[in-house]
Amino acid sequence: GAGVSQSPSNKVTEKGKDVELRCDPISGHTALYWYRQSLGQGLEFLIYFQGNSAPDKSGLPSDRFSAERTGGSVSTLTIQRTQQEDSAVYLCASSPPLGGVETQYFGPGTRLLVL
Amino acid sequence: AQSVSQHNHHVILSEAASLELGCNYSYGGTVNLFWYVQYPGQHLQLLLKYFSGDPLVKGIKGFEAEFIKSKFSFNLRKPSVQWSDTAEYFCAVNPRDSWGKLQFGAGTQVVVTP
Repeated sequence: GAGVSQSPSNKVTEKGKDVELRCDPISGHTALYWYRQSLGQGLEFLIYFQGNSAPDKSGLPSDRFSAERTGGSVSTLTIQRTQQEDSAVYLCASSPPLGGVETQYFGPGTRLLVL
Repeated sequence: AQSVSQHNHHVILSEAASLELGCNYSYGGTVNLFWYVQYPGQHLQLLLKYFSGDPLVKGIKGFEAEFIKSKFSFNLRKPSVQWSDTAEYFCAVNPRDSWGKLQFGAGTQVVVTP
């Protein structure tokens, strides 16, 4: 079956522009996670959605970052007024109902470059 | 602040050599521990996990890891590597009071030469 998909796979933007990154989780998965991997660093947790509950936004680095999950499925991560330090690979993961944190299936990521 | 430290950023070794990757974490509470692997051109995938019980856990492809609570460590081992083990390996910690959050180390790039 289809895995987690993300689009675009690569995005180059200019400093100050807004970008939207999309994640399509595996069908039926209720939990969705966003992570960021900056050069030479590990994956950094950003935000977590579980069903209809309020998302855990504790990992978002600034108020320029926001994420939505529409209809309990597709999620969009928006970065406003991008900065060069936002350059990173943004990974999305999803997990099934009753699945624990270890059942996260990761997407291929979106590589963002801010010039 | 909570952190996950991986001791080596790059490891190069020959086939049949033994591999050990270090991972230490700083967190005072109870944690779940994981190792993930990312093969070239592939997605991140779970290698093994520790929740409780026997501190020596076995994962896929002959990997194992040992949780040493007193040392806050969760080192990954494989007795004899293969060329196909070339990948990036990430240690991750999930504090049990932070359901859903995985905190990752910086990763270790492992290159196995024929």
